[in-house]
Amino acid sequence: DIVMTQSPDSLAVSLGERATINCKSSQSVLYSSNNKNYLAWYQQKPGQPPKLLIYWASTRESGVPDRFSGSGSGTDFTLTISSLQAEDVAVYYCQQYYSTRRFTFGPGTKVDIK
Amino acid sequence: QVQLVQSGAEVKKPGASVKVSCKASGYTFTSYGISWVRQAPGQGLEWMGWISAYNGNTNYAQKLQGRVTMTTDTSTSTAYMELRSLRSDDTAVYYCARGGGAVAGPFDYWGQGTLVTVSS
Repeated sequence: DIVMTQSPDSLAVSLGERATINCKSSQSVLYSSNNKNYLAWYQQKPGQPPKLLIYWASTRESGVPDRFSGSGSGTDFTLTISSLQAEDVAVYYCQQYYSTRRFTFGPGTKVDIK
Repeated sequence: QVQLVQSGAEVKKPGASVKVSCKASGYTFTSYGISWVRQAPGQGLEWMGWISAYNGNTNYAQKLQGRVTMTTDTSTSTAYMELRSLRSDDTAVYYCARGGGAVAGPFDYWGQGTLVTVSS
């Protein structure tokens, strides 16, 4: 199975500052035939289901503010919140969907306001 | 608009079974797979498996093999997840999500979640 790790476990950022979350997969999730990274990012607020933010590693889901961006390729990925807002307090998960037999999520990164 | 509406909370005794439903609307049900994801209290997301709403093919997480069954009823656009031989560590919120199946893609819509509590 592809194992997903995230760092840090949690971070506190001042309002308006940048937040950066890292995600690493145990094997590449880049599919060479279409040059796509099978990697998504989700945001989960307390008491709510997860919400898709980013897919194909860098494509923003419709309606997601442009302060959220995804980057990376192969095994190393980053979610960046360029200017943290109060409503961005949440847990963020990465997920690989390269292996359709075994989808896996990262352990999550909790983002708070400093 | 796409919606996934799940059945209500359940309380079960150890060893019992639970069946959670997920009714889809706002899209062609058979064009997407449905995945099930659970989240134990205070923990992260655990993928449980998926079912193709097109042909009923399934793929389950190895740790749940033999205890979980996912089915669909295309006449009502409803997916079901049954978990048997419940243990206390099965206590979790169970989510259905659109995605999974033979065509790889993210989980773009989620149900509201169903809390299953296993307690004697």
